Amino acid sequence: QQKVQQSPESLTVSEGAMASLNCTFSDGTSNNFRWYRQHSAKGLEVLVSIFSDGEKEEGRFTAHLNRANLHVSLHIREPQPSDSAVYLCAGGNTGKLTFGDGTVLTVKP
Amino acid sequence: DMKVTQMPRYLIKRMGENVLLECGQDMSHETMYWYRQDPGLGLQLIYISYDVDSNSEGDIPKGYRVSRKKREHFSLILDSAKTNQTSVYFCASSGGGGAETLYFGSGTRLTVL
Repeated sequence: QQKVQQSPESLTVSEGAMASLNCTFSDGTSNNFRWYRQHSAKGLEVLVSIFSDGEKEEGRFTAHLNRANLHVSLHIREPQPSDSAVYLCAGGNTGKLTFGDGTVLTVKP
Repeated sequence: DMKVTQMPRYLIKRMGENVLLECGQDMSHETMYWYRQDPGLGLQLIYISYDVDSNSEGDIPKGYRVSRKKREHFSLILDSAKTNQTSVYFCASSGGGGAETLYFGSGTRLTVL
C-alpha cells in the first residue's frame, strides 16, 4: 500500500508571505494528485488537481509535480488568516486516493 | 450547487450497538466512498462503491459493511460497534473514470463508549 509523507507537520507564516508545503510518495503507482484543505471540524475542499509533471495554478494555489522524484508541492501566494487549516495531499489511481497525514498551516495577521 | 450530505453530524453509541451512517449526493456521481480519519493515521479508505450494488473493499473494511441501493445514496453500517471504531467518518463521491476529483461531505463524528 502506498505511503504518503507530508512535510512539515506544521507551518506558521505571516500574512502575505509565501507558504510552501511538500508531499512525497513511496512509489509511482499514483497517476493523479490533489491538494485538499480541511478547516477545523469540516469536510475537505479540493484546491488543485495535477496530472502531469510541471505546474498547475488555481488562484493563489500552485501545485508542482515531479514524478521522477515522487514529489508534489503546494505553494500558497499571499496567504491570509482564513487559509489557516490542515492541508492534505493525495495520490490517486483508478479512483482510489491515498492521503498524507496533513500539514497544519497557521497564518498570523 | 454540488453537495455531499452526511447524517448525522455527531453520534454517540454504546459498544455492541448497531450504527448506520448515511450519505447522499446530488451530482449523479457513479462512485462513492467511505473514509475514516484518525489522528496520526490520516484518512483511510473503508469501502468504494462504483455504482448501485457494486461495492469494493478499501484498505480497512473489517468491521464495516456498506449498502448502495440508489446511485445518490451510500450507507455505512457498523454491526456491533467497537470502541476502536470511534472516529470521524467521511463520505465522498466522484464522477468515476479514475481521475475525477473526490467531493467530500462534512463528516460524522462517531463516539463508541
